[in-house]
Amino acid sequence: DADVTQTPRNRITKTGKRIMLECSQTKGHDRMYWYRQDPGLGLRLIYYSFDVKDINKGEISDGYSVSRQAQAKFSLSLESAIPNQTALYFCATSQGWETQYFGPGTRLLVL
Amino acid sequence: LAKTTQPISMDSYEGQEVNITCSHNNIATNDYITWYQQFPSQGPRFIIQGYKTKVTNEVASLFIPADRKSSTLSLPRVSLSDTAVYYCLVVTSDNYGQNFVFGPGTRLSVLP
Repeated sequence: DADVTQTPRNRITKTGKRIMLECSQTKGHDRMYWYRQDPGLGLRLIYYSFDVKDINKGEISDGYSVSRQAQAKFSLSLESAIPNQTALYFCATSQGWETQYFGPGTRLLVL
Repeated sequence: LAKTTQPISMDSYEGQEVNITCSHNNIATNDYITWYQQFPSQGPRFIIQGYKTKVTNEVASLFIPADRKSSTLSLPRVSLSDTAVYYCLVVTSDNYGQNFVFGPGTRLSVLP
């Protein structure tokens, strides 16, 4: 959905490097999410935020941190990247419990 | 925490009805069930959401039995463009907050 953008779309980094993935949305939604997708495992929730002052851990938050800079922006950081964090990362937004709208994804490779 | 399972893959032919079932044995009373469709190199896209019994929209139906331990996505008269991966999502809520648990996905291949 073009209303949810992610940057970068692709990234290659080395073990131990810090990396930030950014997400912006123009839908005016309060809720934002970060997921990672691995083959055969579907999507797993990393962090979610229900408003600017609210940050919650998801199923697999270890090794990640997030920042909700504004209603429209939610960034995901890997403080010290490791190879098993190689995955496809998706940002999503929603208004309440309704439909989640996903960004196009960021493909991350950690060498 | 709800766990979800789905068949890994399914094949169908154009014009047939396709039913994909997701099992969520320990779903909680207040959990919603949502289904998404994903094409390669794209984010998942919402198809349908339900809580109990049957829900229908312009693209699909969702059947949820009384015990809510499973749900079935029904796609009427599939076409080649329905070839995609389909995910069920269970949203859980407890004293510790909410969690969003996706199934592993079902890869649907529609053949001519």
